[in-house]
Amino acid sequence: DGGITQSPKYLFRKEGQNVTLSCEQNLNHDAMYWYRQDPGQGLRLIYYSQIVNDFQKGDIAEGYSVSREKKESFPLTVTSAQKNPTAFYLCASSETPTDTQYFGPGTRLTVL
Amino acid sequence: KQEVTQIPAALSVPEGENLVLNCSFTDSAIYNLQWFRQDPGKGLTSLLLIQSSQREQTSGRLNASLDKSSGRSTLYIAASQPGDSATYLCAVRITGANSKLTFGKGITLSVRP
Repeated sequence: DGGITQSPKYLFRKEGQNVTLSCEQNLNHDAMYWYRQDPGQGLRLIYYSQIVNDFQKGDIAEGYSVSREKKESFPLTVTSAQKNPTAFYLCASSETPTDTQYFGPGTRLTVL
Repeated sequence: KQEVTQIPAALSVPEGENLVLNCSFTDSAIYNLQWFRQDPGKGLTSLLLIQSSQREQTSGRLNASLDKSSGRSTLYIAASQPGDSATYLCAVRITGANSKLTFGKGITLSVRP
């Protein structure tokens, strides 16, 4: 089955801890994205990568970091510098930066 | 800055109705527009993508139209079913290098049996 997987589905973090969210795709897509979704708000772009070993900040990159060492993987680290990290995090990919974006099932992060 | 608006935020209709979901955007220099469906607690599912040169796209009971000059897109759902209950989001990509999707907040649709 081709698709995008995210793990874990639920994640709990204590204040002051860094956590890493996993995103893997087997669609052979060049571009990958991380979004954050909060209740009552649209999706907001955190980081995106158009090609391996390259990534760009989105609209709300502060307190987050990413890497793109392999085409199929785009992990997101939520650092302790992120003031309000509790949210639903969605990863997406597209064949090229202007093509249809396909989304993973999401990770719900809760800070305790 | 591109802004995308979807009104109303929620809609409830009886089963069988044909319905129209609206999306408006402020910058008409768009590259394409995409409609998504999201079920509670799940990721987004792509429904239709309309290129700026197109007026509409169809998939089954869904039809999406695009009017760039007025900054509007509509998603038409024919013969609605309870299984259509979900949140529908539109997203706009403006023209230009490294252009990103800008999302509306979505319309939560409930189709009553």
